[in-house]
Amino acid sequence: SQKIEQNSEALNIQEGKTATLTCNYTNYSPAYLQWYRQDPGRGPVFLLLIRENEKEKRKERLKVTFDTTLKQSLFHITASQPADSATYLCALDPASGSARQLTFGSGTQLTVLP
Amino acid sequence: DAGITQSPRHKVTETGTPVTLRCHQTENHRYMYWYRQDPGHGLRLIHYSYGVKDTDKGEVSDGYSVSRSKTEDFLLTLESATSSQTSVYFCAISEAMAGYGYTFGSGTRLTVV
Repeated sequence: SQKIEQNSEALNIQEGKTATLTCNYTNYSPAYLQWYRQDPGRGPVFLLLIRENEKEKRKERLKVTFDTTLKQSLFHITASQPADSATYLCALDPASGSARQLTFGSGTQLTVLP
Repeated sequence: DAGITQSPRHKVTETGTPVTLRCHQTENHRYMYWYRQDPGHGLRLIHYSYGVKDTDKGEVSDGYSVSRSKTEDFLLTLESATSSQTSVYFCAISEAMAGYGYTFGSGTRLTVV
């Protein structure tokens, strides 16, 4: 069966450092991989999408890599700030079929310490 | 969340009663989804819709039904609520084409007692 794992439930880092979150998957061949941010009591918010033929995508302080051989995506936040503290979710997107259905990982809770 | 609203935001109901949650969008997106989120399980797909009156089951559809009579509204019904359906329910919408992220509502926290 398809499985998505995010490296850890919680990650604490010091302000100014780079946070690196990992998303691994098995038994799946997504066309895209997406990353979302979720704050307590709120719905997830879309951050970035990377295609299977892209190695890296950047948006401001965010960087995502996608290695289809390793079946892994890395999500980096550079120069992290306390405001970056949230839960980050990865999602696999097959981009096919009668409807696009994302399959989500359970998330990594990031805390950036001042 | 711009363009998508869920109601109610919170609800407490008794075991065995039917419950309907509403999702309303103003974006005219074709696809709409209902997810539930539970600790340790992440977001799991309940049902989705790819057009008016076009719906299909997701990963955890048992005990749930949906209806979509208009593009803008997607209803989730718990036919006879059970304690295992205590959860946070999220509605999401997406563009028809691949390569777009989902837009989520703010969620409904449902407690079945």
